[in-house]
Order: sequence, then C-alpha cells, then structure tokens
Amino acid sequence: KNEVEQSPQNLTAQEGEFITINCSYSVGISALHWLQQHPGGGIVSLFMLSSGKKKHGRLIATINIQEKHSSLHITASHPRDSAVYICAVRSRGGETSGSRLTFGEGTQLTVNP
Amino acid sequence: AAGVIQSPRHLIKEKRETATLKCYPIPRHDTVYWYQQGPGQDPQFLISFYEKMQSDKGSIPDRFSAQQFSDYHSELNMSSLELGDSALYFCASSDDRGPLYEQYFGPGTRLTVT
Repeated sequence: KNEVEQSPQNLTAQEGEFITINCSYSVGISALHWLQQHPGGGIVSLFMLSSGKKKHGRLIATINIQEKHSSLHITASHPRDSAVYICAVRSRGGETSGSRLTFGEGTQLTVNP
Repeated sequence: AAGVIQSPRHLIKEKRETATLKCYPIPRHDTVYWYQQGPGQDPQFLISFYEKMQSDKGSIPDRFSAQQFSDYHSELNMSSLELGDSALYFCASSDDRGPLYEQYFGPGTRLTVT
C-alpha cells in the first residue's frame, strides 16, 4: 500500500463543474502539498497545508489531520485546469531541514468545454 | 519573482556517457532537493542538501552524485548512464530558516538516454 493515495486516478468534467480530488496518507506528516503538473512536465506548487483550509482563486484545499485526509476542490472548472494534480506529503520529524516529499500517483483531470 | 532555474532543460546522452544537471534555487533559499520522475511515474526523491551539506538521501543510484556549492546552486552528476535513467529530473528549493519549508519546483530537465 502506498503511503500516499489519491482518488480518482482520472477525472473528466464539463466546464463549470465543481471538482474534488482526494488524498489519503498513512504516515505522520508535518505538511501536505498540492501540486499541478501540465503536459510539458513542469510542477507548480498550489498549496502547502499543515492544518485547516486554504483558498486561492477557484482552488480550495482542506486537510483533516486526525483522519489523514486532504481534498483539493476546483470551483467553476475550466479547460485550462486540465492537468495532473499531485498530492505530496512531508513526513513528520521534519524539524530538521531536508525532509523529502513523498508523492501520490496523481489525478489526471480533463475539463471539456 | 525569481523561480528555481534548471539547466539544461533537455539533454540527450548515449549509454555509458556522463551528464551534469544544474539547479539554481530561489535567492535566499538554503535547501535544494532533487527528484526523478520516470515516464508515467510519480516523482521519487533522490537527495537533498541544506547549507551545502547533504541532509537526506533517497533512492539515488551509486552512479549519481550531487553537491551544493557556496552560492547554493546544486549539481547532479550522473555517470555510466543507462536507458532507465531517462526521466524528468526536478529540482526544488526551500527556505528552511522559515517555519513552513514550502518547496518550490524548477521546470525540470528532461534527460533522454539512447
């Protein structure tokens, strides 16, 4: 079982739909990242969470530390949101520098016009 | 705002050759991470440096070495290249003097070994 699991693996939506991508992890973490990767390969950091909820434009990320679960929501989805969305966790014990990220397998989102 | 810079962006090498990938972190970031993403795979952590010292080591082959220099840029040296080394190599940087250690990713270097 992977330490970080995402669902769904693939998601197709119509423009304007509300989208939710889920991430569950099995280890203690100090932070969780939501990343976006476009077909060209570049990775963009969307959010880093250690508790609660963050919002940036149409994107909302939440985390429940007790349940070891995080969700990424996209409101009013648009074709340009089509990308792979990756959940990555930073293990706890990261008081020292250099703690690696462990990545989920990603969710391929396609938003059709 | 300045971002993480990686060079080259694309690199084609033959088997058994050597490659050097460079990463220039965001100014004032003191920590650099290297990740390898094979075709259709999620990124895997290779190695990281904090203040020019290796701080963590992941699944990095013995054929690879890396270091962080006094200006905080880092280089990943890969020798005796194999076909399986073909991948996208990401560098990320963070300011570990701050409270949150958020990692910022470079655009990646796509290495193709033929």
